[in-house]
Amino acid sequence: EVRLVESGGGLVQPGGSLRLSCAASGFIFSEYEMSWVRQTGTGLEWVANITSGGINTHSAASVRGRFTISRDNAKNFLYLQMNSLRPEDTGTYFCASGGSYFQNWGQGTQVTVSS
Amino acid sequence: DIQMTQSPSTLSASVGDRVTLTCRASQNVRTWLAWYRQKPGRGPHLLIYEASTLESGVSPRFSGSGSETEFTLTISSLQPDDFATYYCQQYNSYPWTFGQGTKVEI
Repeated sequence: EVRLVESGGGLVQPGGSLRLSCAASGFIFSEYEMSWVRQTGTGLEWVANITSGGINTHSAASVRGRFTISRDNAKNFLYLQMNSLRPEDTGTYFCASGGSYFQNWGQGTQVTVSS
Repeated sequence: DIQMTQSPSTLSASVGDRVTLTCRASQNVRTWLAWYRQKPGRGPHLLIYEASTLESGVSPRFSGSGSETEFTLTISSLQPDDFATYYCQQYNSYPWTFGQGTKVEI
């Protein structure tokens, strides 16, 4: 059974940082592109994706230069380093398998950016 | 960015009904379109990709059609589990974008 379990969310002040993690199991993680998608008050928004080997990434303009997606194929983990956080980054962050459409999703981790 | 517009925003239906949801793209996305179902408190669940290909394990009561800018998701016979919010998503060109959702309610 495919499992994706996100962690690392929480309450942070504007300008702060968080690192989200996603533990993957039940499939050959190193063979799949992976993505982060968030759900805010305005709906679902693709955030970033990364190729299976971790060489190439793409990210949404709203987070480019602030968020970095990475992965550790030896540990079956996906990460999202979030810096310079803004109130509009508040939402639930989902880890998903796939780089274009998203086959499997985690349950999400809540990020709240507020003073 | 490609804008995805779903209609209706809310749809009232009953168990056993046949329902059709619509998704329109602001530009041609060919058939690079996916549909998801989301229940409260959970991540979305992939139903259809490439506009009409049923994801493995998904009930055949779901079907997708369309190309370029106009797409539909049809549920042939609504089941209690289907009362949820449905989203379309294009993956023709970056950034990938989602529609705002259609909520199917009783």
